Amino acid sequence: DQQVKQNSPSLSVQEGRISILNCDYTNSMFDYFLWYKKYPAEGPTFLISISSIKDKNEDGRFTVFLNKSAKHLSLHIVPSQPGDSAVYFCAASAQLGSNYKLTFGKGTLLTVNP
Amino acid sequence: KAGVTQTPRYLIKTRGQQVTLSCSPISGHRSVSWYQQTPGQGLQFLFEYFSETQRNKGNFPGRFSGRQFSNSRSEMNVSTLELGDSALYLCASSLVGDQETQYFGPGTRLLVL
Repeated sequence: DQQVKQNSPSLSVQEGRISILNCDYTNSMFDYFLWYKKYPAEGPTFLISISSIKDKNEDGRFTVFLNKSAKHLSLHIVPSQPGDSAVYFCAASAQLGSNYKLTFGKGTLLTVNP
Repeated sequence: KAGVTQTPRYLIKTRGQQVTLSCSPISGHRSVSWYQQTPGQGLQFLFEYFSETQRNKGNFPGRFSGRQFSNSRSEMNVSTLELGDSALYLCASSLVGDQETQYFGPGTRLLVL
């Protein structure tokens, strides 16, 4: 049972355009969401997060939008750069006392073409 | 501040053997989590340790175990290796394991032949 889904295994965009990566979740207990970027042979690197009390969080070229009613979040990268080419993972967690684990989607491979 | 380090980076084992992987968290971080990454399943949570105690566990068989030392360093052990255990094993650390950012190490690539 996949609780966090990234339905697009890959996405290709032109340099300078907007990249939109999508993520859906099924567990209504999730209240904290993160995006990680991963290059080959490296561990995931934290990009941006959002709490369920917000619907938008922005950090430079990266913006995450959360639609709780639709159980959907998206990561917008504007403008996209070739160095953004990587696998992007959506992750979620639920505030359950001190228990802490991230549930990840399977990732979306973003390719930004020069 | 040094990041999360994992050793070894690459490992080749044969079926039936056991393996121990090591993780040193960021200085001051007391929570260490382990994840398995495979092409088919993505990143899956194995377990989390805090103050030398396992607080949370994913859906993996008992062949997968771990421990944490008083300096927060952690090890995970896989016994009776199977071909399907071939994966990238990632360790992540955070301050106290609450809902804050986890920082990942580069991973250990395990190949089981």
